[in-house]
Amino acid sequence: DTGVSQDPRHKITKRGQNVTFRCDPISEHNRLYWYRQTLGQGPEFLTYFQNEAQLEKSRLLSDRFSAERPKGSFSTLEIQRTEQGDSAMYLCASSQLAPRGDEQFFGPGTRLTVL
Amino acid sequence: GENVEQHPSTLSVQEGDSAVIKCTYSDSASNYFPWYKQELGKRPQLIIDIRSNVGEKKDQRIAVTLNKTAKHFSLHITETQPEDSAVYFCAASVTDSWGKFQFGAGTQVVVTP
Repeated sequence: DTGVSQDPRHKITKRGQNVTFRCDPISEHNRLYWYRQTLGQGPEFLTYFQNEAQLEKSRLLSDRFSAERPKGSFSTLEIQRTEQGDSAMYLCASSQLAPRGDEQFFGPGTRLTVL
Repeated sequence: GENVEQHPSTLSVQEGDSAVIKCTYSDSASNYFPWYKQELGKRPQLIIDIRSNVGEKKDQRIAVTLNKTAKHFSLHITETQPEDSAVYFCAASVTDSWGKFQFGAGTQVVVTP
């Protein structure tokens, strides 16, 4: 499977715990995005990497959230001290650098439930 | 920042009829407008996109139109089929910048046989 993959697909945790999600983009894609999607809403932008550099973070990304892409390949998104409001689907997407490609390819997402 | 509004939020159509979804955007610098289809429990998948130098694009039963002056773009699905039932999202981005997408809230399309 050469598409974007995410792990785990589902995560249930208790409030206050830390969680970490992983995203493996399409191998030749330089750009990697994290989005959050809640029920009945479109994906909301969280952060963006170009290769290993994190170039933009949304104000939605509080200081409890941190993302890395250490070697410019896979990325991790960590949420510390989870809150019930963090419950959502976390989507990862990747694309090539413009003008080679603007389409973002999405992974299947990680559904987080905070109890 | 960019703001994208999408209407309607739900759309019920009879099989064979047409469906139209409309989006407006606020940032005049936006130059790329994709439409994604998301079936229940699945990832969003691109169905069609349009760039700001084009006014209309068609792919079989799906078409998108763009009015840059009015800052709105629309998705048209003709001869709808039950498998067209899904949530559709429009988005806008500035590809010369970081290329992040600003999505609309989505339209739930239900095609009844």
